[in-house]
Amino acid sequence: AQTVTQSQPEMSVQEAETVTLSCTYDTSESDYYLFWYKQPPSRQMILVIRQEAYKQQNATENRFSVNFQKAAKSFSLKISDSQLGDAAMYFCAYSPTGNQFYFGTGTSLTVIP
Amino acid sequence: DTAVSQTPKYLVTQMGNDKSIKCEQNLGHDTMYWYKQDSKKFLKIMFSYNNKELIINETVPNRFSPKSPDKAHLNLHINSLELGDSAVYFCASSQDRAGGRELFFGEGSRLTVL
Repeated sequence: AQTVTQSQPEMSVQEAETVTLSCTYDTSESDYYLFWYKQPPSRQMILVIRQEAYKQQNATENRFSVNFQKAAKSFSLKISDSQLGDAAMYFCAYSPTGNQFYFGTGTSLTVIP
Repeated sequence: DTAVSQTPKYLVTQMGNDKSIKCEQNLGHDTMYWYKQDSKKFLKIMFSYNNKELIINETVPNRFSPKSPDKAHLNLHINSLELGDSAVYFCASSQDRAGGRELFFGEGSRLTVL
């Protein structure tokens, strides 16, 4: 079974500070994709960042970066200079093939002004 | 121009009724999905279609029936609605390309069964 685990149901961060959201996954595949999606109160699911497993370099998108540890099957998201608009549910997702996407249970992030 | 659109955005209905949610994508993707998000925000795959063919069919009651008339459309019909069917249903699409892979979501349809 392929599972994605987010062990932090809730996290909070002061505005302008840095926060790291954790994600681990279980797989026997060697090539796959990993994602972080954001779901604000508007309900829309938005892609934050994507990582291909065969790429050793960690993906970055402006204030968002990941720490991808393939051997440890860990994929954490770091949000730098947190802003009020970052408050949302964050979902880690794993995709072993083009037709399969599996999601973690989500982490609710609160940004404190 | 909305990439993945689903209608209606909100549904309120009585137990025992039948309802449908429609989904259309204009991204030219081959694969479309239905996900269910429950009150605890768990996001679970229900169905996946690739070029109109069913490829993923998770353990979902037979009351749920997807239909894909063409690869740009994937509809979800639910018979004999139950209280436990109340959730947000997301349509999504994806395309596996050399440049990468991503799941594009619709805005979700919130179903409330009374």
